[in-house]
Amino acid sequence: DAMVIQNPRYQVTQFGKPVTLSCSQTLNHNVMYWYQQKSSQAPKLLFHYYDKDFNNEADTPDNFQSRRPNTSFCFLDIRSPGLGDAAMYLCATSRDFGTNNEQFFGPGTRLTVL
Amino acid sequence: AQSVTQLDSQVPVFEEAPVELRCNYSSSVSVYLFWYVQYPNQGLQLLLKYLSGSTLVKGINGFEAEFNKSQTSFHLRKPSVHISDTAEYFCAVSPMGTGYALNFGKGTSLLVTP
Repeated sequence: DAMVIQNPRYQVTQFGKPVTLSCSQTLNHNVMYWYQQKSSQAPKLLFHYYDKDFNNEADTPDNFQSRRPNTSFCFLDIRSPGLGDAAMYLCATSRDFGTNNEQFFGPGTRLTVL
Repeated sequence: AQSVTQLDSQVPVFEEAPVELRCNYSSSVSVYLFWYVQYPNQGLQLLLKYLSGSTLVKGINGFEAEFNKSQTSFHLRKPSVHISDTAEYFCAVSPMGTGYALNFGKGTSLLVTP
C-alpha cells in the first residue's frame, strides 16, 4: 500500500543535542509537509517542500531545518532541541495544491527532550 | 487568513447514540473543508472533505458532514457511534485555488462509553 512512513516512531534526545527525524513516501507526491503537534493541541505547520522548493512558515524557529534530497524522502533537523520542542512531529504529503491538496499523514514521531 | 473554532473540547457519548461535533470557520476567501481523526499516538486520517458540489459529504466509518456557507459551519455527525470511534477529531480549512496550508481547529475529544 502507498503510504507515508516516519522513523523512528519514538525519539529521545538530550537538551541541546541535534536530532534528525525521517519521513518517506511511496505516493510520489509533489508536496511534503512537517507539522509540530504539542500535547492536546492542533498540528502546527513548520514548513513544506513543493518538489525542491522550500517554504518556511513565518513563525518557525531557526532551530528547525529541513532537507529533501529526493522526491521520496524528507528530513527534519532540530539543531539544538530545547525542552519546549518535545512534541509529536507529523509528516504529510499532498499531490499538489488546490483541489489536489488532500494531505496524507504519517504516524508521527514522538520526540522527548531530557 | 483562516481560522477554525471547534466549540466542544470534549464530547462524552454512550455507545450507539448519535453524535455531532461542531466546527465553525472564518475566512476572507472561499475554502476547502476537512475532518481528520487521530487515534492515540497515531497520525491523522482523513474522514471526509468538502471541495465543491453537494453540501452533504459522506466519509469513512459512517461519518458525514454538512457544509453551511451562510453559517460558516461544517459539523460532523454520526447516527450511531461505537467504542472504536473514541479519538480526537480535527476540523481544518484550506484556501481555495493554489492554497496549501491546513488551518486546524484545536480538536474535539470524543469519548464513547458502553
